[in-house]
Parts: sequence; structure tokens; C-alpha cells
Amino acid sequence: DAGITQSPRHKVTETGTPVTLRCHQTENHRYMYWYRQDPGHGLRLIHYSYGVKDTDKGEVSDGYSVSRSKTEDFLLTLESATSSQTSVYFCAISLEYTDTQYFGPGTRLTVL
Amino acid sequence: KQEVTQIPAALSVPEGENLVLNCSFTDSAIYNLQWFRQDPGKGLTSLLLIQSSQREQTSGRLNASLDKSSGRSTLYIAASQPGDSATYLCAVLGNSGNTPLVFGKGTRLSVIA
Repeated sequence: DAGITQSPRHKVTETGTPVTLRCHQTENHRYMYWYRQDPGHGLRLIHYSYGVKDTDKGEVSDGYSVSRSKTEDFLLTLESATSSQTSVYFCAISLEYTDTQYFGPGTRLTVL
Repeated sequence: KQEVTQIPAALSVPEGENLVLNCSFTDSAIYNLQWFRQDPGKGLTSLLLIQSSQREQTSGRLNASLDKSSGRSTLYIAASQPGDSATYLCAVLGNSGNTPLVFGKGTRLSVIA
């Protein structure tokens, strides 16, 4: 599993509240990613990071921000959660020489 | 923009059958293609990765092939078992810098005992 953990694993929140999801890895991988998975859309990239304090936007970045102050942690923040952000969120890392991606167990977020 | 399509969306087969899952992509300028397995309520498990210069990769009962020029990949599962029941996803990585991994929507496989 490439040593990836996500917290929390489940969260229910209300519209308008801020939410932060955490991805933690133990193997010093440089590249980390946040995806969301929705029925009918599959997996879509939100943001990714290629090093400490180096991040970039993905396909569906509106309404999300990220931070990476340490190699091992990649945080995804919903500044003001909306019902359209109800989804399953996956964190992933990629191996630098093969680009193989490994995924965390996911966080199921429900915004009421 | 790269698009990845997986057909069929769902497949049900009896135990013991050999089967093929299909993946097609619109832009042949890829760096690699990866097959994943996802069990219900779980994360993705990497099965096989094929670099753009390779034609196939094998792992146990799984064999993945890649025809970059025609934009196709297949995942062959030999002697299917009920434990193979899951959703199988393919994803392609473009060969331009900082391109994201683009996923298909998956094929949901059920192997009936």
C-alpha cells in the first residue's frame, strides 16, 4: 500500500463549513495527488504536489486548496463545503522512476 | 484532451472462464498505461503498469497488452475466480510534463461460482 494513510476515513459536515482532509505517507515519495471519485465521472484529479510547497491544479480544482509543508503530509482543504463536494476522496503517490501510482484507502465525505 | 473508455461497463462470467477487458484512449502520446483493481468501498490496487515502449506485462493470471498506435489496451484474466470480482480501471499518463493520470470509468466484473 506504499505506506499511505488518509484521515478521517469518513466525515459528515454541513454546507459552508471548512473541511481538511489529510494524506500521510511514510516513504518520502516526492509526488502526491488528490483525486475525487464520483459515479458517472470516475476518478478526477483535484490537485497534485511535486515537492514541499510545490503544488499545482488538476482538472477539478475549483473550491479546493492544498498545502504541503512536509514531505510526508499533503492536506486538502474545502474552504466552504458545498453539497457538490460530497464524494470519495483518494490520495495517491507515484514512484519517481516508474510513475506507478499507489492509492490510499479513501475518505468518504458527505456534505449536507 | 485525452479520453479513456472502457467497454463493457459491466461483465458477468462463470468461474473458470478466460476473459478480456478493454481500454481505449484517444491520444497515443502516452508515457505509460496502468491497470487497477477496486473492490467495493476500497481504494485502488495497482495491478500492472506498461511503459509506452512495452507491448505487454504479465503478473500471475493477469496479462496486459498495449497497442499504442491504435490506442488500445487489453487486460486478460485467465481461469477467473469469484475473488476476481471487482471493478477494473485503466489509466493513461501522457508524455508531456505534469500531465495528470486520466482514468476510464471502469469495468465491473462479477465472477459467478
